[in-house]
Amino acid sequence: GDSVTQMEGPVTLSEEAFLTINCTYTATGYPSLFWYVQYPGEGLQLLLKATKADDKGSNKGFEATYRKETTSFHLEKGSVQVSDSAVYFCSGAGGTSYGKLTFGQGTILTVHP
Amino acid sequence: NAGVTQTPKFQVLKTGQSMTLQCAQDMNHNSMYWYRQDPGMGLRLIYYSASEGTTDKGEVPNGYNVSRLNKREFSLRLESAAPSQTSVYFCASRVRGSLGTSGGYTGELFFGEGSRLTVL
Repeated sequence: GDSVTQMEGPVTLSEEAFLTINCTYTATGYPSLFWYVQYPGEGLQLLLKATKADDKGSNKGFEATYRKETTSFHLEKGSVQVSDSAVYFCSGAGGTSYGKLTFGQGTILTVHP
Repeated sequence: NAGVTQTPKFQVLKTGQSMTLQCAQDMNHNSMYWYRQDPGMGLRLIYYSASEGTTDKGEVPNGYNVSRLNKREFSLRLESAAPSQTSVYFCASRVRGSLGTSGGYTGELFFGEGSRLTVL
């Protein structure tokens, strides 16, 4: 079945540091890929997405590019802020799974001033 | 702008008790989902409903039942709660989006704020 492999955390960075969180997805075909963010005490919310190979999703300074060859969708941000501290989830909607999204384990990011 | 609304937000049960988690969405989405979130396990799909009138098992359905009451509402029931069901439960609905290159739809999930359940 479909699976998502996400970089394990937690990740601790200083403010203005560069962030990368790795994600790869295994599925039949080329699924749509998503990054969700969960702030403390809240539900998940969509951060960005890419719906086909070579697409780049971006939002709030975060970017991720859908690499077809490796089915990877690594999340990056050039300069993190304290307010970026949250849990980040990679997710995919497999081409043969109408409606079901598969999630990675989540990566806890803590940014210190 | 209610989006996805879950009730209750917190609940403590004793082993063997039953309860129902309620979920409603006002975005006219066809698909609805129940996930549970446990430390180190990410989100695991319990049940989903691709459209009104249909429900299907997800990854971890044992011990749960669901009802898609209408297009707006999707409830999750624990008939006899067990400590292993202590978790945070999230309801979600999905916008369909367009048909992707692989045949699946491209829409994303919209989540409720979660229901924290403790079974003693």
